[in-house]
Amino acid sequence: GQNIDQPTEMTATEGAIVQINCTYQTSGFNGLFWYQQHAGEAPTFLSYNVLDGLEEKGRFSSFLSRSKGYSYLLLKELQMKDSASYLCAVSYGNKLVFGAGTILRVKS
Amino acid sequence: DAGVTQSPTHLIKTRGQQVTLRCSPKSGHDTVSWYQQALGQGPQFIFQYYEEEERQRGNFPDRFSGHQFPNYSSELNVNALLLGDSALYLCASSLWKWTAGDTIYFGEGSWLTVV
Repeated sequence: GQNIDQPTEMTATEGAIVQINCTYQTSGFNGLFWYQQHAGEAPTFLSYNVLDGLEEKGRFSSFLSRSKGYSYLLLKELQMKDSASYLCAVSYGNKLVFGAGTILRVKS
Repeated sequence: DAGVTQSPTHLIKTRGQQVTLRCSPKSGHDTVSWYQQALGQGPQFIFQYYEEEERQRGNFPDRFSGHQFPNYSSELNVNALLLGDSALYLCASSLWKWTAGDTIYFGEGSWLTVV
């Protein structure tokens, strides 16, 4: 199968750093996406990794290890508005397979 | 430049009825994919259309069908609605040969409630 695994929920404090992990099946892998989704809204694109290593975009960074089938999303300087669901999605061919999402709660 | 537009935004249907959801892709995009997102779950791939043909299909029954028109817009049809079909239906727009991660755009979705 093409299971994408990520934690169900995480809680962190405003101003802190949080890391959301994602593991996936490596066979047929084309690339890995991270999306942010606020309740009742569509997913919005955060990052895309196709090569091993860390991609940094402001407060958000994403890491990929293709051999291990592992990725993480790193959020720095957490803000209350970062409270949302974070979706890990893997591209197998032209199709995206999503994880169930990690609900991040940021507390003051 | 319009992004991905979906209609209707919200709708309520009765079990056994049929529903049609519509999607207009971002200007310049030729591929439309449909996803079903149940409450508390990640989006599940339904199918993908390119050049007016279904190119890939996920694990959904034949009650789910679709169509793509020459202007690249697409419809998702669901027949014999079940309570379990209640979900957010997302349309994703892209080029068939996309290469960069930010070239897959999602619409705001259509919320379907089956009662």
